[in-house]
Amino acid sequence: GQNIDQPTEMTATEGAIVQINCTYQTSGFNGLFWYQQHAGEAPTFLSYNVLDGLEEKGRFSSFLSRSKGYSYLLLKELQMKDSASYLCAVLDSNYQLIWGAGTKLIIKP
Amino acid sequence: ETGVTQTPRHLVMGMTNKKSLKCEQHLGHNAMYWYKQSAKKPLELMFVYSLEERVENNSVPSRFSPECPNSSHLFLHLHTLQPEDSALYLCASSSQKGGEVIYEQYFGPGTRLTVT
Repeated sequence: GQNIDQPTEMTATEGAIVQINCTYQTSGFNGLFWYQQHAGEAPTFLSYNVLDGLEEKGRFSSFLSRSKGYSYLLLKELQMKDSASYLCAVLDSNYQLIWGAGTKLIIKP
Repeated sequence: ETGVTQTPRHLVMGMTNKKSLKCEQHLGHNAMYWYKQSAKKPLELMFVYSLEERVENNSVPSRFSPECPNSSHLFLHLHTLQPEDSALYLCASSSQKGGEVIYEQYFGPGTRLTVT
């Protein structure tokens, strides 16, 4: 079967750095997405990786290793507004998105 | 209106009721999706309309019935639901080239459904 694994919950301190990991086992791979979802709101797109390596976008970076079936989302200079759930999703060989359950990130002052 | 809108935002219905959820996208996309989101579970894809053709998801009970009259509008018709159908129902849209979904999806705010 297809599977996406992420930690259920993480806690970090304002101003610090946090890395949220995602491992996947899917039938084929056509890219990996990260979304942010604040409580009671819609998921919003953060990043897309299809080649190995690091993609940087402001305070957020996303890394992909296709050989290891592994990605991480790196958040720097954490702010209170970064408290949210972070969803990892993989596009499989049929171009269907397979979603992880999400990681709830709690930021403390 | 911009982006993806959904109505109603909240819905409480009895098990014998019939109701419909509405989604509208103002982004010029050609693919639309219905998702179910339950607490602490992955997003569950229910239905996909690609270029106005439905891609069936065989695991969705027949008490959920989608309708896509055009590329901007999507409905989810509900009838004789069960309490376990209570969840957040999200609509999304994206651009699609050929038969491949290669662009990010844009989500609406969702409808919080409670079945009593």
